[in-house]
Amino acid sequence: QLQLQESGPGLVKPSETLSLTCSVSGGSISRSDYHWGWIRQPPGKGLEWIGSIYYSGSTYYSPSLKSRVSVYIDTSKNQFSLMLSSVTAADTAVYYCARRSASPYTGDRGYYYYFMDVWGRGTTVTVSS
Amino acid sequence: DIQMTQSPSSLPASVGDRVTITCRASQSISTYLNWYQQHVGEAPKLLIFGAYNLQSGVPSRFSGSGSGTDFTLTISSLQPEDFATYYCQQCYSAPTWTFGQGTKVEI
Repeated sequence: QLQLQESGPGLVKPSETLSLTCSVSGGSISRSDYHWGWIRQPPGKGLEWIGSIYYSGSTYYSPSLKSRVSVYIDTSKNQFSLMLSSVTAADTAVYYCARRSASPYTGDRGYYYYFMDVWGRGTTVTVSS
Repeated sequence: DIQMTQSPSSLPASVGDRVTITCRASQSISTYLNWYQQHVGEAPKLLIFGAYNLQSGVPSRFSGSGSGTDFTLTISSLQPEDFATYYCQQCYSAPTWTFGQGTKVEI
């Protein structure tokens, strides 16, 4: 059974770079039918998609975070990572990694349905001096 | 960007109630809409994809409907384990995504 596990510092100072890793077990990160993503949730608030990566290294970022975000993949370690630079208190959140899968059929627009079907348990990151 | 708006933000309910949550998109997204359930302190769980397709293992009391800009998630008979926060998510603009702000179903 596929499992995802986030890891990284729980405390980051303002203006520094937040760095997290998601370790994937029970399956290969190199499968062509999946993307891998990061989502965060500030305390008491909703979910915000941060970015995603394909095993080839293609990346996709939230427009609101694009200038500060990088997502990397290490297929040899079956891991992918998030880096968020110049953090402020507003970046304090639970950070989740997740797998993006696709339906076996397309919708009426001819696109597949994409969804996040496997999630890590999340890791809390606090930005504070 | 496609904006997703859920209503209500919170929904008082009792066990056995029929519950309906609404999600509206800022532009037409056809049926490219997913629903997730999140319990406090846990990761979200996929319930429905493509507006009405039940994810494997999800109880049949959950159902989704809608197309275009207006969508609903219905729980036909609320169970104790269904008290949670529910989020819609558009996948029309995949690989970029946006979530609704969430609806908390509470006692």
